[in-house]
Amino acid sequence: QKEVEQNSGPLSVPEGAIASLNCTYSDRVSQSFFWYRQYSGKSPELIMSIYSNGDKEDGRFTAQLNKASQYVSLLIRDSQPSDSATYLCAVTPGGSYIPTFGRGTSLIVHP
Amino acid sequence: GAVVSQHPSRVICKSGTSVKIECRSLDFQATTMFWYRQFPKKSLMLMATSNEGSKATYEQGVEKDKFLINHASLTLSTLTVTSAHPEDSSFYICSATYYPSSVSSYNEQFFGPGTRLTVL
Repeated sequence: QKEVEQNSGPLSVPEGAIASLNCTYSDRVSQSFFWYRQYSGKSPELIMSIYSNGDKEDGRFTAQLNKASQYVSLLIRDSQPSDSATYLCAVTPGGSYIPTFGRGTSLIVHP
Repeated sequence: GAVVSQHPSRVICKSGTSVKIECRSLDFQATTMFWYRQFPKKSLMLMATSNEGSKATYEQGVEKDKFLINHASLTLSTLTVTSAHPEDSSFYICSATYYPSSVSSYNEQFFGPGTRLTVL
């Protein structure tokens, strides 16, 4: 069973702060890593994808991947109340094109 | 690009009836579509993987005779909930990907907006 683990939260941060969301995975040969944002009552929306070690930045979002330690994280700089949502980590195991989703971390950005 | 639509967005039906949900990739050809179910405040649960022109692959515990999936073309997959019961009430979400991806090299999944099913 390929596992993707996330802290369910909620993670509460003040507006303007950096929110750090973490995800660990069990399959050492995983190839692709994704972060999705899901607002309450809505479907997931892709925010970031990353497949090589290091950082990938897109606007206020930075994805960080460390394959040796088997974790991927998402940093949200200058957090806004509109960032309040559940963030889903998804990992594609080796030899598969079907991502495994974590349970998600609830983020609350308070004014 | 990479837009996925779902129809209907919301449906209410009586127990025992069947409901069909359509999932379409609007601007790319989806060789694979996925069907998920999500209960309130719970995580996504993959129900089945659907490849164009072949039978769907169902996850363990998902009844294939109850949840009929048809992926007739590269842009359309349908999920039919047969003989619906109140416990089938849930948020059904489809996603689509192209493998190997013409949209991205990461095999990203693009989600439809979801269908909220209520069975009375």
